[in-house]
Amino acid sequence: EPEVTQTPSHQVTQMGQEVILRCVPISNHLYFYWYRQILGQKVEFLVSFYNNEISEKSEIFDDQFSVERPDGSNFTLKIRSTKLEDSAMYFCASSVSGRGRAQYFGPGTRLLVL
Amino acid sequence: AQSVTQPDIHITVSEGASLELRCNYSYGATPYLFWYVQSPGQGLQLLLKYFSGDTLVQGIKGFEAEFKRSQSSFNLRKPSVHWSDAAEYFCAVGAGYGGSQGNLIFGKGTKLSVKP
Repeated sequence: EPEVTQTPSHQVTQMGQEVILRCVPISNHLYFYWYRQILGQKVEFLVSFYNNEISEKSEIFDDQFSVERPDGSNFTLKIRSTKLEDSAMYFCASSVSGRGRAQYFGPGTRLLVL
Repeated sequence: AQSVTQPDIHITVSEGASLELRCNYSYGATPYLFWYVQSPGQGLQLLLKYFSGDTLVQGIKGFEAEFKRSQSSFNLRKPSVHWSDAAEYFCAVGAGYGGSQGNLIFGKGTKLSVKP
């Protein structure tokens, strides 16, 4: 069964450093998402991406964040200058189509900013 | 604004007992509803989904959920819980409208513990 994969599984970085989180969505999916889950809190939407552009973004997704689909398989989330409060589990998800379709999540990347 | 409420933070049931996890949503139109499960250190696994039609939906691992529009609820049930069901369960509603790509709004989750 196809799965969404994410790398790395864990990343530790210093405040102010740039990090890139990588995801490989399910191959025939067209819609891609990033969510985050701060420890002990609910899963929060960050951004959705379709047809090589951002479709929606939340207020969390400020100028420090960017997403890219650099090739036909990868989907990345970049945080330019990490802050302590960026420490969270970041989930990538993908779906065949948009609204109303089930989103399939990857295992997550746990980011720790020191 | 759309929202999801899971009123129970933590539930403990005995193995073999029945289970019901509550979920209430607030959404202005016909909602798309989902239940996900998260085992410790793992990602989110889709248990089941409701889009339209039959209000009782079956999912994986023996779970089912019933959509009740009049109560704005989408409760998750399982007739007999197994120890491996211990995990955190998240209810989510598909948000957005028009050209929106439908980001999910999650509840805070219910942690299920199973005692022998």
